[in-house]
Amino acid sequence: AQSVAQPEDQVNVAEGNPLTVKCTYSVSGNPYLFWYVQYPNRGLQFLLKYITGDNLVKGSYGFEAEFNKSQTSFHLKKPSALVSDSALYFCAVRAKYSGSARQLTFGSGTQLTVLP
Amino acid sequence: DAGITQSPRHKVTETGTPVTLRCHQTENHRYMYWYRQDPGHGLRLIHYSYGVKDTDKGEVSDGYSVSRSKTEDFLLTLESATSSQTSVYFCAISDSGQGGPDSNQPQHFGDGTRLSIL
Repeated sequence: AQSVAQPEDQVNVAEGNPLTVKCTYSVSGNPYLFWYVQYPNRGLQFLLKYITGDNLVKGSYGFEAEFNKSQTSFHLKKPSALVSDSALYFCAVRAKYSGSARQLTFGSGTQLTVLP
Repeated sequence: DAGITQSPRHKVTETGTPVTLRCHQTENHRYMYWYRQDPGHGLRLIHYSYGVKDTDKGEVSDGYSVSRSKTEDFLLTLESATSSQTSVYFCAISDSGQGGPDSNQPQHFGDGTRLSIL
């Protein structure tokens, strides 16, 4: 079975400060890891993914994520937060060899609020 | 944004009535998914499809059925709605990519259907 934990329901950060949204995962074998963002009354939007290779992955809107295999973590980061980054963020995992199912398992989400 | 349309966007109905939600895509993607989103649970997979008339159960499939008669349409049916099925339902699609079944293409989501069952 695969699982994702987002230990913080809510993260508050001041505009201009760096932000981190935490994610840890459990999966059999090598993982594919994803971050999505959700704005009110909208669907999830893909931000970035880790497949293999470089542990630092860069994505949309200046976001990046660091894959740490030993800590089974995939934390989302941004050097300088914007008020417009305020949204609900989801981490998701899928085992690399999962056949036709391709089932993603999502974390429970972290509400990020950037304060002006 | 990926060409995904969910209908209706909002629905209120009564316990015991049948409900069908529709997901329509214009991307010609092979894979389609239905999720429900509930506070504290993130998104949970209900059913998915890996081709026309090829579907399978997800994590929370009880009380739901699906059909896919065309590549572009994926229907989710609640045969007899219950209050526990009040939720926001999302459709997602993904492509095969170059790597076959183990390809790492991300899923793209519609804007959801807010379903209230009274």
